[in-house]
Amino acid sequence: AQKITQTQPGMFVQEKEAVTLDCTYDTSDPSYGLFWYKQPSSGEMIFLIYQGSYDQQNATEGRYSLNFQKARKSANLVISASQLGDSAMYFCAMREGGTGFQKLVFGTGTRLLVSP
Amino acid sequence: GAGVSQSPRYKVAKRGQDVALRCDPISGHVSLFWYQQALGQGPEFLTYFQNEAQLDKSGLPSDRFFAERPEGSVSTLKIQRTQQEDSAVYLCASSPSVKNTEAFFGQGTRLTVV
Repeated sequence: AQKITQTQPGMFVQEKEAVTLDCTYDTSDPSYGLFWYKQPSSGEMIFLIYQGSYDQQNATEGRYSLNFQKARKSANLVISASQLGDSAMYFCAMREGGTGFQKLVFGTGTRLLVSP
Repeated sequence: GAGVSQSPRYKVAKRGQDVALRCDPISGHVSLFWYQQALGQGPEFLTYFQNEAQLDKSGLPSDRFFAERPEGSVSTLKIQRTQQEDSAVYLCASSPSVKNTEAFFGQGTRLTVV
């Protein structure tokens, strides 16, 4: 079974509008972390935001917020006031287990295109 | 440098050739990861180092793949007798601690086996 599912292969949004990128996850571990990364055409994976499974509040980082719905096992990324530079691939990832080492498991990504 | 540095950025290898990919993590970072990203896919875990110790190599696809980090800093991923299915982007990431709440990635090495 897929650990991380991103059902939107591509999304389009107009500049200055908000967009939500979907991510659902599958784990039986009560302790886990959820990540979103941005990958522009240059190839580098840029860390955007992190949500721990025990965090009481949804994570926010500037224009990025994570809509964490634990019971539904979803961790959608919301980008407010989209900018042209937001056009890129976006990956949701999960780390299972405690705060010791655990690998990241990535979804297949969503390509976001922001139009003027 | 300020970020994770990988070299070379691009590598073309003839099938059967050995290749070595280098990763310079952020100075002082304890954790180092290697991931493989096939075209159109998300990265997949290959191996993990905590300082010089390779704690997990469960993602290495075959015994042709070998990674090392002898002094707990620079790491090298070596692929012997390359095959076409090895063509991918190889990403290196480092993290300042074992808590791994945030990993910083390099720009990757794009390997093409012809």
